[in-house]
Amino acid sequence: AQTVTQSQPEMSVQEAETVTLSCTYDTSESDYYLFWYKQPPSRQMILVIRQEAYKQQNATENRFSVNFQKAAKSFSLKISDSQLGDAAMYFCAYRRTGNQFYFGTGTSLTVIP
Amino acid sequence: DAGVIQSPRHEVTEMGQEVTLRCKPISGHNSLFWYRQTMMRGLELLIYFNNNVPIDDSGMPEDRFSAKMPNASFSTLKIQPSEPRDSAVYFCASSRMGGGRVEQYFGPGTRLTVT
Repeated sequence: AQTVTQSQPEMSVQEAETVTLSCTYDTSESDYYLFWYKQPPSRQMILVIRQEAYKQQNATENRFSVNFQKAAKSFSLKISDSQLGDAAMYFCAYRRTGNQFYFGTGTSLTVIP
Repeated sequence: DAGVIQSPRHEVTEMGQEVTLRCKPISGHNSLFWYRQTMMRGLELLIYFNNNVPIDDSGMPEDRFSAKMPNASFSTLKIQPSEPRDSAVYFCASSRMGGGRVEQYFGPGTRLTVT
């Protein structure tokens, strides 16, 4: 079974500092995709970053980067230079073949001014 | 592109009434997903379609819930009869099945309140 685990229900970070959100997943597949989504108070789910499992290079999008450890089945999100607008719920997601997606339970990030 | 469109954005209804939520996926996407989000249960997948065909409906809570996708540009989620415990935010999302950008794009959600 494919499952996604986010072990940190809540995290906080000082503005301008760096924070890392953890995600692990369970799969027997070798080809898949991983994502981080952000859900601010507006409720809109927004894609933050995408990682293809066949790519060894970690994905980056401006202040957002991932640490993808395929053997360990770990996919953490690093937010650098945190801003007040980064405060949101963050969901890790896994996509398997057949286009089925699995989401974690989310991490609520607070940014302290 | 207009993104995933959901209607209504808010729905308040009385217990026992029928509720229909609507979704228009992004043009060219061939997968569509319905989710329910509550504080207690988080984000739950209810059902998803590939090429208008339901693939996995194991998340549909019970027979009161039904979903259809009559064509590639429209889907409905129906609750009949509705109950207070159905109160939640319902999201529709769409994606491509293969080739590059396979991430899901979410609609703005429908906040359902059943009194």
